[in-house]
Amino acid sequence: KAGVTQTPRYLIKTRGQQVTLSCSPISGHRSVSWYQQTPGQGLQFLFEYFSETQRNKGNFPGRFSGRQFSNSRSEMNVSTLELGDSALYLCASSLRHGLAFFGQGTRLTVV
Amino acid sequence: KNEVEQSPQNLTAQEGEFITINCSYSVGISALHWLQQHPGGGIVSLFMLSSGKKKHGRLIATINIQEKHSSLHITASHPRDSAVYICAVGNTGNQFYFGTGTSLTVIP
Repeated sequence: KAGVTQTPRYLIKTRGQQVTLSCSPISGHRSVSWYQQTPGQGLQFLFEYFSETQRNKGNFPGRFSGRQFSNSRSEMNVSTLELGDSALYLCASSLRHGLAFFGQGTRLTVV
Repeated sequence: KNEVEQSPQNLTAQEGEFITINCSYSVGISALHWLQQHPGGGIVSLFMLSSGKKKHGRLIATINIQEKHSSLHITASHPRDSAVYICAVGNTGNQFYFGTGTSLTVIP
């Protein structure tokens, strides 16, 4: 069974640009959640999607958005990038809810 | 105040030692998770607990709902256990909160 796949693995963007990250969950998993990890703040919850609906959202500005497609693949978008958005972005998939299986993450560097 | 507090922040042990990592939380929870993160970023979910105790190999996780406290124990520690261990709680509103992690180094 293939694991959770995140693409790209590494990304360098310039301040002010926007970025889209992708997460393909384990086959059959309908819940996809996203997290930001930085050395200063640790892991923080961004949002969770289940069956194409955002079920929950963390305390992040509206520049952070996401969506989930009918095949459960999810994307997150960050607009107007700031230096502080540099982080490891992780997604996790599960059948219903939770932190069952994580992807390897996308390391975003904003310069 | 953080919703999830972990201790210790750093831990160095000799191979074979018994290790305990503690986690206290302040929110009402639906479940508590213990995660392991190796250098390079990959995270593995070790346990999901809502009550009692779970064991997997040399790892044991316990939770006391009344005291809002959980512990992760590693028996007979090994250098391959060196990693960051993170406590995470899912509250009743389906939000997740994370501890700052415990960096464990096991010396041969």
